[in-house]
Amino acid sequence: GAVVSQHPSRVICKSGTSVKIECRSLDFQATTMFWYRQFPKQSLMLMATSNEGSKATYEQGVEKDKFLINHASLTLSTLTVTSAHPEDSSFYICSASRQNNGYTFGSGTRLTVV
Amino acid sequence: SQQGEEDPQALSIQEGENATMNCSYKTSINNLQWYRQNSGRGLVHLILIRSNEREKHSGRLRVTLDTSKKSSSLLITASRAADTASYFCATEGDSSYKLIFGSGTRLLVRP
Repeated sequence: GAVVSQHPSRVICKSGTSVKIECRSLDFQATTMFWYRQFPKQSLMLMATSNEGSKATYEQGVEKDKFLINHASLTLSTLTVTSAHPEDSSFYICSASRQNNGYTFGSGTRLTVV
Repeated sequence: SQQGEEDPQALSIQEGENATMNCSYKTSINNLQWYRQNSGRGLVHLILIRSNEREKHSGRLRVTLDTSKKSSSLLITASRAADTASYFCATEGDSSYKLIFGSGTRLLVRP
């Protein structure tokens, strides 16, 4: 079956630094990848959709300069949280799709900014 | 963006009882999916129901879809303590390829 690997699973960083989260599709080519964030006891909020080789489409209210998304290959998308602040602390989850045929989720990354 | 609401927000039942969760959404959909999430973990896909389907079963799960009311329900029969988790509905719109999640229901099954 389709497998998506997300790394790291947990990261703690200092305020003002940048953090990169990777999302890899291990056994399929992901034409589209999605990034979500989830605050404690809340739902998943879609941040952006990225297609391989093109710029990401951000949802309303998501700062594209704050959350940099790169989808340089069919198996890898990265989310970089730039100049992180404590309010960016959250659970980030990626999802990958092969030719608009279902969604496979990564296991998530818990980001803590101190 | 968030598609809609789920109710109840939290549900506590005894093992062996049935659990019903409801989901409402706002836009036209291609399909609706249900996911489970254990605390602080990733998502597990449970079941998908297409917009032209009204009911679907998978093991102890039963899902209904009423597109006229823009609502769906998930029934878990003969619940087990291991069913304790958060449950989310998610819709794929008919005009855009992405999943939008509902607010979720936290289910506690007491042994």
